[in-house]
Amino acid sequence: EVQLVESGGGLVQPGGSLRLSCAASGFTLSNHLMLWVRQAPGKGLVWVAHISSDGTSTSYADSVKARFTVSRDNARSALFLQMNSLRVDDTAVYYCVRSFDSRGGEFDYWGQGTLVTVSS
Amino acid sequence: SYVLTQPPSVSVAPGKTATITCGGNNIGSNTVHWYQQRPGQAPVLVISYDSDRPSGISERFSGSNSGNTATLTISRVEAGDEADYYCQVWDRSSVNRVEFGGGTKLTVL
Repeated sequence: EVQLVESGGGLVQPGGSLRLSCAASGFTLSNHLMLWVRQAPGKGLVWVAHISSDGTSTSYADSVKARFTVSRDNARSALFLQMNSLRVDDTAVYYCVRSFDSRGGEFDYWGQGTLVTVSS
Repeated sequence: SYVLTQPPSVSVAPGKTATITCGGNNIGSNTVHWYQQRPGQAPVLVISYDSDRPSGISERFSGSNSGNTATLTISRVEAGDEADYYCQVWDRSSVNRVEFGGGTKLTVL
């Protein structure tokens, strides 16, 4: 059974940092492009970043570029999101998401999400 | 960036057909995926590649995509279909990025 389990969320002050982790199981992580998608309270889904199956290529939304870094450890079946210089508008549930294959396409599995709250 | 436009809400009576649109410039030349998100839950893929239904998704869900509009159709609507629905595309025109529509709240009357 495919599972994606996020951790690392919590309350942080503006300007602070957090590192989200996503533990993947039930499939071979290295075969899939992976993403982070967030959802602010009461709002829609917003793409944050994605990383190629081998970790050599990344892409970021303009709103997080230069502040967030996505990485992966295929040997440990883990995905990460390092978030620096956090702002109040980064408050959201962050989902770890699997793309069907290594090229992109549809997102066939989502974690349950981890809540990040940025507040003083 | 590539903008996807969805109606904020759609209402339908049980047993009727719900139609949710996703507008975008020449979206018919792209492939569209649709997700259902029930309250308090993570999104679930319900339609991929415009009209393919993943395993386990009811045949009542169907999709189409042409011109400037992609459409998700839910026939014989049930109370359990009440949820938010999002369309999604890959925008590979300039920067390799993902775009979601703003979401449509489906209310079953």
